[in-house]
Amino acid sequence: GAGVSQSPRYKVAKRGQDVALRCDPISGHVSLFWYQQALGQGPEFLTYFQNEAQLDKSGLPSDRFFAERPEGSVSTLKIQRTQQEDSAVYLCASSLEVRTPQHFGDGTRLSIL
Amino acid sequence: AQSVTQLDSQVPVFEEAPVELRCNYSSSVSVYLFWYVQYPNQGLQLLLKYLSGSTLVKGINGFEAEFNKSQTSFHLRKPSVHISDTAEYFCAAHPSNSGGSNYKLTFGKGTLLTVNP
Repeated sequence: GAGVSQSPRYKVAKRGQDVALRCDPISGHVSLFWYQQALGQGPEFLTYFQNEAQLDKSGLPSDRFFAERPEGSVSTLKIQRTQQEDSAVYLCASSLEVRTPQHFGDGTRLSIL
Repeated sequence: AQSVTQLDSQVPVFEEAPVELRCNYSSSVSVYLFWYVQYPNQGLQLLLKYLSGSTLVKGINGFEAEFNKSQTSFHLRKPSVHISDTAEYFCAAHPSNSGGSNYKLTFGKGTLLTVNP
C-alpha cells in the first residue's frame, strides 16, 4: 500500500497480558517513529528508529515498553504486563529522512480491561 | 525543549464561515512548524508545514497558516469551511537545527473544529 499500515486497528487485553503492535512504514522510508495518544490529548513521542537502529527511546514510559525494527522496515511495539494506564491510541509514523515530514498510520487503539 | 499551546480546545462554526485555529509555540531554538488534521478513528494527515522562507504557507483543502516569529504563533485559517472540515486539528513543532532531537515532534492538545450547517 501507499501509506503507513498498522495492525491490529483495535486491541483489547486484560491487565497483565503482553501485547504486540505492528507498523509497516512506507516503502523506502528510513525513519520510523512511535507515538502514544491518550484520550483527548495530542500524540506524545515514544521512540525513533533510523533503519534498524533505535536512536532514541527517551519517550518510552517504562521498561515494560519495548520496540524493535530488526530489518529496517516493519516495526513492532511490545508492551509487557499491561496496565490500565497503557490504554491509548498508538500511532506509527515514517519519513523518508529524519527531518522530512512524518506520515502517520491510522493507529492501534489499545484498551486494557 | 519546546512546547506547543493550542488556545482553543473546541471551535464551533457555521458552514461557509471563516475560521482561525490558534497555535503558539515556545522554544529556545528555531523550529519547524506543522498542522495535522485527524478525522475520527484515523491517523494524522499533514495539512501544511513551515520550514523556512515565506511566512504564509498554503496547504491542502484550502487551509493556510502564517508564521509570526515575534509573536511565536502559527495560526491556521480557512476563509470558508465545509461540513467535511469537521475534525481534530493539531499544531506541532520540532527543532530545525541539525543534530540533537531535531525529529521529535511536540504536539499541542488539539482543537476540535465542528462545522454546523
